[in-house]
Amino acid sequence: EDQVTQSPEALRLQEGESSSLNCSYTVSGLRGLFWYRQDPGKGPEFLFTLYSAGEEKEKERLKATLTKKESFLHITAPKPEDSATYLCAVYNDYKLSFGAGTTVTVRA
Amino acid sequence: ETGVTQTPRHLVMGMTNKKSLKCEQHLGHNAMYWYKQSAKKPLELMFVYSLEERVENNSVPSRFSPECPNSSHLFLHLHTLQPEDSALYLCASSQVTQGKSDTQYFGPGTRLTVL
Repeated sequence: EDQVTQSPEALRLQEGESSSLNCSYTVSGLRGLFWYRQDPGKGPEFLFTLYSAGEEKEKERLKATLTKKESFLHITAPKPEDSATYLCAVYNDYKLSFGAGTTVTVRA
Repeated sequence: ETGVTQTPRHLVMGMTNKKSLKCEQHLGHNAMYWYKQSAKKPLELMFVYSLEERVENNSVPSRFSPECPNSSHLFLHLHTLQPEDSALYLCASSQVTQGKSDTQYFGPGTRLTVL
């Protein structure tokens, strides 16, 4: 069974204080690793898809990387508007298996 | 309307009520999904429809009944729910080609409270 573990569960940052979120996974045949952002009371918003170890993708202050066992979401010089829950998911057949998420709070 | 829409956004119902959740996707996708999101727990996949056929039923209790009349619309019919069914119900859609799904895009969700 696919397993996705995200850490830490919560992260409090000062504005401008860079940090990384971890997503470790166990899957029989990885067909893609997805990062989503979710604001309170809203649906997840797609950020990135990574398909193979060594792949990296960037969007504004966010950068996602992938190894054979884990993915990192790096937040560089975060702003208060980056506060959200970040979800990681692995894709296998029709199924996306999600982690429980990391809730990031960025204080001004 | 763009993307994936869901109605209603909030729903309060008693355990003996019958209600339905509606999802519509405007992305031209051929697969739709229902997920349940409870506090502090990962999203749980409930149902998958690909080309209007149900391809996944993730051991969901029969008090939840999905319906997919066409590739753009998805319903979740609810009856005799339990308080532990209170959660955010999310709909998603994607394009499936040769058995492989592209990115899933989510709607805003329906916040369900069962009294």
